[in-house]
Order: sequence, then C-alpha cells, then structure tokens
Amino acid sequence: DVKVTQSSRYLVKRTGEKVFLECVQDMDHENMFWYRQDPGLGLRLIYFSYDVKMKEKGDIPEGYSVSREKKERFSLILESASTNQTSMYLCASSSHRRGSEQYFGPGTRLTVT
Amino acid sequence: GENVEQHPSTLSVQEGDSAVIKCTYSDSASNYFPWYKQELGKGPQLIIDIRSNVGEKKDQRIAVTLNKTAKHFSLHITETQPEDSAVYFCAASPAGGSYIPTFGRGTSLIVHP
Repeated sequence: DVKVTQSSRYLVKRTGEKVFLECVQDMDHENMFWYRQDPGLGLRLIYFSYDVKMKEKGDIPEGYSVSREKKERFSLILESASTNQTSMYLCASSSHRRGSEQYFGPGTRLTVT
Repeated sequence: GENVEQHPSTLSVQEGDSAVIKCTYSDSASNYFPWYKQELGKGPQLIIDIRSNVGEKKDQRIAVTLNKTAKHFSLHITETQPEDSAVYFCAASPAGGSYIPTFGRGTSLIVHP
C-alpha cells in the first residue's frame, strides 16, 4: 500500500521558534509538494521539488524554506514561526509522468501561539 | 497561469439524492483533471480523473464530464450516502513543462440521512 507519512499530526510551537515538518514517501516518486490548507482558501502550494536537492517556489513561499537531501524525504522549515502560520500543512508526492495522481499525507495541524 | 474556479462551496443533500460539483479552468493547455475527496482528519485522496481526450468517465456512483470548448468539468455523485460527506477538490494540470496542478477551493458536501 502506497504511503506518504508526516512526522506529526499535531504540533504547537511558540512565536519565533524554528519549526521542522518532515514528509516521507515510499513510492520512489520524483515530485514532492508542500501545501497549506486554510478554510475557504483551498490548497495553496508553498514549495515543490522535482528531484533531490531541487526546489521551486509555489504561490506562498514567504516565511518558509524546504530541504530535499534524499529522494524519499521532503522537509518544510519555518525559520521563525509566526501566528499567521497556524494552519494545516499537507505533503504530497507524484511521479514525473505528466498528468499524474498526487498522493497526500494525513496532514500536520500546526498551532503557533 | 491556470485559474480554477469551483462551485458551490457548500452543498447539502438528502441521502439518495444526486450531487453535482462544477469547476471551470482558464488555461486551454490543461489536459488532466483529477477530483480528490478529503474526509475529516485525512489528506485528500484521488477518486476519479479525466484526460482531455475523453468527454465522460464513470466509476460506479461517481462520474466526471469534461467540456473542453467551454473549459469546464463536473463531478456527479448519484444515490448519495452519508459516507460521501467530505470536502471535494477539483484540479487542472497543464500539458506543457510543469506537473503542478492548480486546485479549486473545495466543496463541502453534506449528505443528510
């Protein structure tokens, strides 16, 4: 059974803390994505990676960075967490094949106080 | 870039009724149109998809139709059941270069027993 896992389901951090969200996929997919999900705003792309050590900015990259040192792992980093980064974070992966299904993780609910 | 509009944002139906969710897209180069279902506490999961060389696709109680000329596609669920209650997202993927889908903002479907 294909799987995308995220390191935490729930996370509470203080303003100014550095936050790491980890995502691992076991499907040997080339593409990995980080989305933010907020009520009424749908899924907004933060960053995208199409290969190891490669990354592209999405629609809302400000305040975030990413790291992809291994094919199966894609990390989202909040350098200095702020309250407006309280949200649900979803990781996804897909193959390089054009028009390819995305597989999503269960999400991490991050609260910044 | 691509822009995907999804309507309605909320849909309430009685068990056994049909439900229809509609999406429009702007980029005529898009050629892959997936639909995802997100149940409470889970990540989105693909339920059906359609490519631009096909006008309709069915899978048991769900179907998707695509009108390339009008640039719209729709999800149809017949004989709705309480377990169909979820948030549904449509998406469109461009044909050239990028494999990044653009998502609609989602439809919350509530099926009343």
